[in-house]
Amino acid sequence: DVKVTQSSRYLVKRTGEKVFLECVQDMDHENMFWYRQDPGLGLRLIYFSYDVKMKEKGDIPEGYSVSREKKERFSLILESASTNQTSMYLCASSSLHIDRPSSTDTQYFGPGTRLTVL
Amino acid sequence: AQSVTQLDSQVPVFEEAPVELRCNYSSSVSVYLFWYVQYPNQGLQLLLKYLSGSTLVKGINGFEAEFNKSQTSFHLRKPSVHISDTAEYFCAVKVNGEETSYDKVIFGPGTSLSVIP
Repeated sequence: DVKVTQSSRYLVKRTGEKVFLECVQDMDHENMFWYRQDPGLGLRLIYFSYDVKMKEKGDIPEGYSVSREKKERFSLILESASTNQTSMYLCASSSLHIDRPSSTDTQYFGPGTRLTVL
Repeated sequence: AQSVTQLDSQVPVFEEAPVELRCNYSSSVSVYLFWYVQYPNQGLQLLLKYLSGSTLVKGINGFEAEFNKSQTSFHLRKPSVHISDTAEYFCAVKVNGEETSYDKVIFGPGTSLSVIP
């Protein structure tokens, strides 16, 4: 059974704190993604990675960075948390479908981390 | 830019009644289409997807969707809903990454389905 896990379900941080959100997948997937989910806006891609140490910006990368040192782990970092980063954060992974970096085919999602920044 | 529209933000429906959740997308190129479901306090999971072939796609839990290229739509249907179908439903579109190095998946804003006993 495929599995994507996220380190925390709920997190409360203060403005200016550095925040780490961790995601681990056990499916040997090449692609991993970080989204934020906000009411009425659906999912918006923050960053994705198609290989170890490789990353690309999504639609809303400002205020975030990522790290992928191992294939199974993809971390999202908020260098200095702000209240407008209060949101649900979803991690996902997928397999590489063709011979170029691709976020194609089925994405498998973790349960999400609900982050509140006070 | 490509976009996905789900016109109905909330859809209440009585148990055992049929339901249709609408999805329209804007793209002039070929696309792959997906419906994901998110149950309360859970991540998203795939309901069904259209990649090619028959325009009528059957998914899990009795759901099906029909791809209509001329109307750029991919509406989700179920003939008889259950209480357990109460969830958020997201339509998603993958377009070929002509300007980027990756094929981007764009999610719609979601439709909240509430099944009333």
